[in-house]
Amino acid sequence: SQKIEQNSEALNIQEGKTATLTCNYTNYSPAYLQWYRQDPGRGPVFLLLIRENEKEKRKERLKVTFDTTLKQSLFHITASQPADSATYLCALLTGNQFYFGTGTSLTVIP
Amino acid sequence: DVKVTQSSRYLVKRTGEKVFLECVQDMDHENMFWYRQDPGLGLRLIYFSYDVKMKEKGDIPEGYSVSREKKERFSLILESASTNQTSMYLCASSLQGGGNQPQHFGDGTRLSIL
Repeated sequence: SQKIEQNSEALNIQEGKTATLTCNYTNYSPAYLQWYRQDPGRGPVFLLLIRENEKEKRKERLKVTFDTTLKQSLFHITASQPADSATYLCALLTGNQFYFGTGTSLTVIP
Repeated sequence: DVKVTQSSRYLVKRTGEKVFLECVQDMDHENMFWYRQDPGLGLRLIYFSYDVKMKEKGDIPEGYSVSREKKERFSLILESASTNQTSMYLCASSLQGGGNQPQHFGDGTRLSIL
């Protein structure tokens, strides 16, 4: 079955720095990969989607890369702010079913 | 904005009870999903539906069933609740299509089975 791994440990960074989160997958080559943000006690909120033929996608301070050879996506938050503190999830579609990673908890320290 | 509403934020039930979790979306989305989220395991798909009266099993359907009588409503049913079904349950919807469509989530129901 599909396996998705994200940074297993929580990530703490200083305000203003760039946060980089990793999503690795096995056993499939998805056409799309999605990133979500989840705050405590809330449902995930969609952030970005990247297609397999796109190497990079940007939205404001967010940047996603997609390396289908390495089977990896990187999610970057530049000029990080305390309000960016949350858990970030990657997700991909295999066949007709979505699989999510377990998420990486990010804390931005003022 | 899409709104996905789950009927309860918190629910406490007893072992053996039949439990209904309700989800309603207001954007005429074709696809609806039920997940459970557990620490260390992430979101796992229980059931999904691509159309009214249609359902497909996800990764962990055992002990659950679903109902989709109307396009906007997707119900998750625990036939005979057990303590290992204590979890956060999340409903989501999306437009017709595959991985190029974002999923819109409700805020979840935290279900405790005693």
